[in-house]
Amino acid sequence: DVHLVESGGALVSPGGSLRLACVASGFTFNRHPMYWVRQAPGQGLQYVSSIGTNDISTYYEESVKGRFVISRDNSRSTLFLQMTSLQREDAGVYYCAREGVALGAIDHWGPGTLVTVSS
Amino acid sequence: SFRLTQSPSVSVSPGQTATVTCSYVLLGTLNVNWYQQRPGQSPVLVLYQDVKRPSDIPARFSGHNSGTTATLTIRGAQDVDEADYFCQTWDTDTGTAVFGGGTHLTVL
Repeated sequence: DVHLVESGGALVSPGGSLRLACVASGFTFNRHPMYWVRQAPGQGLQYVSSIGTNDISTYYEESVKGRFVISRDNSRSTLFLQMTSLQREDAGVYYCAREGVALGAIDHWGPGTLVTVSS
Repeated sequence: SFRLTQSPSVSVSPGQTATVTCSYVLLGTLNVNWYQQRPGQSPVLVLYQDVKRPSDIPARFSGHNSGTTATLTIRGAQDVDEADYFCQTWDTDTGTAVFGGGTHLTVL
């Protein structure tokens, strides 16, 4: 079975930094593009960032460009999201997700990790 | 990036057909995926490439995409189908995913 488990969510002050991690298991990690998708409390899903099967192809939602960096360690089947200059609007549950069944289709999601930005 | 428009809510009686729509001017030229999210749970892929169902999704879920609108149809809606539904596609200019705002489906 595919498993994605996020960690690293926490309470952080505005302007602070966090590093999220997602450990994958049950599939060949280096064959799948991976995503971070977030969801503010009571709101919809918002794409944050994605990465190709290696560290070369990375993409970002406009509001996080220059502040967030996505990366992956295929040897450890782990996805990362380094977040800096955090703003209140960045708060929410961050999901790690796998692109699998088709291009651009996310076929597995982790349970999410909560990021709270507050002073 | 562009926006996908969904109605905030849809209601249907058990056993009836529910229709959830997603709109964008060029949507018919793009592949659309649909996700179901029950309260307190992570999203689940229910349709991809407009009409395809993952193997564990019931056949009562179907899709269509043409012109400016993609549609998720649930025939014979059940209580367990009550959830938020999100459409999603791909912005080929930026290489990023785009989600609709979500539709809450009530079955009562």
